[in-house]
Amino acid sequence: SQQGEEDPQALSIQEGENATMNCSYKTSINNLQWYRQNSGRGLVHLILIRSNEREKHSGRLRVTLDTSKKSSSLLITASRAADTASYFCATALAGNKLTFGGGTRVLVKP
Amino acid sequence: DSGVTQTPKHLITATGQRVTLRCSPRSGDLSVYWYQQSLDQGLQFLIQYYNGEERAKGNILERFSAQQFPDLHSELNLSSLELGDSALYFCASSVGLPMWGLANTGELFFGEGSRLTVL
Repeated sequence: SQQGEEDPQALSIQEGENATMNCSYKTSINNLQWYRQNSGRGLVHLILIRSNEREKHSGRLRVTLDTSKKSSSLLITASRAADTASYFCATALAGNKLTFGGGTRVLVKP
Repeated sequence: DSGVTQTPKHLITATGQRVTLRCSPRSGDLSVYWYQQSLDQGLQFLIQYYNGEERAKGNILERFSAQQFPDLHSELNLSSLELGDSALYFCASSVGLPMWGLANTGELFFGEGSRLTVL
């Protein structure tokens, strides 16, 4: 079973709009990470937020973490066609396993 | 380019056969991870090695095995293949043994994957 689950499963927006996706997880974590995957390609690390952090920014990305609700959100501002991809959250538990959610497919229309 | 190299990129084989997937981690990375990605199961963690030793195990079938060699490259062996084994197999590496604590990033660098088709 997946530790993290993304919502929505798919998202379609116009270029320039913001895209928000959420991730919920089940157990306590050490950190939560977001990755991007272009169709059929390898995953690329976007951002990591530790369990004692609440918000983090990286360029046009903003990640929040609410450990009391066991949830995180990824916001992509001013989206571009190149942001079209699948986005995955991954949770790091104690130990060496990084568990991925099912992903959100984002389509940015020009 | 993540620096992680996987071969072969594509592989087509028949049920019952055995294949070996190879991964070269980024220079200096000691940890190697294997993941399986299929449409119905998503991205599943299979196994992790650190400096030649198995460190974590996930949903890896008994028909599958892996190892990490002294030069740190890793191989994933898939045997008695079934149709359901068709998937993308990813290798990832990280800078060191991730303790997943506050002092470690835990960022993984993924290869481009090996697409296995079992007919």
